[in-house]
Amino acid sequence: AQSVTQLGSHVSVSEGALVLLRCNYSSSVPPYLFWYVQYPNQGLQLLLKYTSAATLVKGINGFEAEFKKSETSFHLTKPSAHMSDAAEYFCAVSYSGGGADGLTFGKGTHLIIQP
Amino acid sequence: EAQVTQNPRYLITVTGKKLTVTCSQNMNHEYMSWYRQDPGLGLRQIYYSMNVEVTDKGDVPEGYKVSRKEKRNFPLILESPSPNQTSLYFCASSLGQSFTEAFFGQGTRLTVV
Repeated sequence: AQSVTQLGSHVSVSEGALVLLRCNYSSSVPPYLFWYVQYPNQGLQLLLKYTSAATLVKGINGFEAEFKKSETSFHLTKPSAHMSDAAEYFCAVSYSGGGADGLTFGKGTHLIIQP
Repeated sequence: EAQVTQNPRYLITVTGKKLTVTCSQNMNHEYMSWYRQDPGLGLRQIYYSMNVEVTDKGDVPEGYKVSRKEKRNFPLILESPSPNQTSLYFCASSLGQSFTEAFFGQGTRLTVV
């Protein structure tokens, strides 16, 4: 079965500082990996996804993530945080091997931006 | 416009009163799924459907039912809601089973008192 672990339920950074949100996955077959963002009182928006092409994936709003198979990780980064980045971030995994699991989400990381 | 539509967006109900949350997609997707979102627990899959009349349990199916009589619709049914089903619910659809091109509804915030 697939699973996702997000380290840190809350992460606080200063405006202009590096954002690093951690995600580790467990999958017995090659995974597809995703980061979703949820702004307050809104639905889910896809930030970026890895689907076995380039290991460094660039997404919207200046975010990027790198798939590291040896570390089973897919950490999300942004060089310089902006106040508008304050939101809940979810890492998710699915896999290409067939089956009915769909998307499995992590528990989420609440990103707080300090002025 | 390609979209997944959930209704209602907000619902307050009483314990034991049957309710249905509708989900409809206009993209002819085969795969659809229901999730519930709770603070500190992320999104957890309730039920999953691979096609018309084909459904499967997710991680937290207790207290829920679904049906897939038509490809476009995937309603979530709570026969006897309880307060522990107070949550934010999302419906999703996808052309492929890996959900690499998933579309999510706007969510339904359900409160059971």
